Amino acid sequence: GQQVMQIPQYQHVQEGEDFTTYCNSSTTLSNIQWYKQRPGGHPVFLIQLVKSGEVKKQKRLTFQFGEAKKNSSLHITATQTTDVGTYFCAGRSSGYSTLTFGKGTMLLVSP
Amino acid sequence: ETGVTQTPRHLVMGMTNKKSLKCEQHLGHNAMYWYKQSAKKPLELMFVYSLEERVENNSVPSRFSPECPNSSHLFLHLHTLQPEDSALYLCASSQMTGTEPEAFFGQGTRLTVV
Repeated sequence: GQQVMQIPQYQHVQEGEDFTTYCNSSTTLSNIQWYKQRPGGHPVFLIQLVKSGEVKKQKRLTFQFGEAKKNSSLHITATQTTDVGTYFCAGRSSGYSTLTFGKGTMLLVSP
Repeated sequence: ETGVTQTPRHLVMGMTNKKSLKCEQHLGHNAMYWYKQSAKKPLELMFVYSLEERVENNSVPSRFSPECPNSSHLFLHLHTLQPEDSALYLCASSQMTGTEPEAFFGQGTRLTVV
């Protein structure tokens, strides 16, 4: 079945440093989504990417979808303590299918 | 609130007990999911229901038994659990197609098996 892998599993940065998490799928994806889970909370949807090579920005967050639609990345510029949490990617193999989540990247930001 | 409600929020049960977790979604979605989240496996898919039919069962032990009586409700029946089953159990719902593709999660049930 479809597998979605995320790296790194964990990253600790100083406030102001950049952060990137990578997501790779074993199959071509129809779309990919990113979620954030704050400590003690539940995953919350951030964004969806659909097109090959698509790039979307949300303030300091930049999301990319690979040309082959098998990988994606989330980059945070100048991290803040409010960015702390676990970031999950989730992919769909077709327009009508269930989501497959990666294992997530836990981000810790020290002031 | 996310539109997905889980009860109870916290549950402590003995290994011989039988309990049920409940999930209700008010979003009109046609797919519902149970996830187990623990330190060892951050987000582990357990069951998927699409249009009230189970479409995915990721080798979950039979001591976990899901039930989806209608598109708005999802249950997880628990019996003779083990201490390693202690975890956060998250319910989610989504629309399989359409303009609202994202999954909405409930706040989870924190389960402790003693």
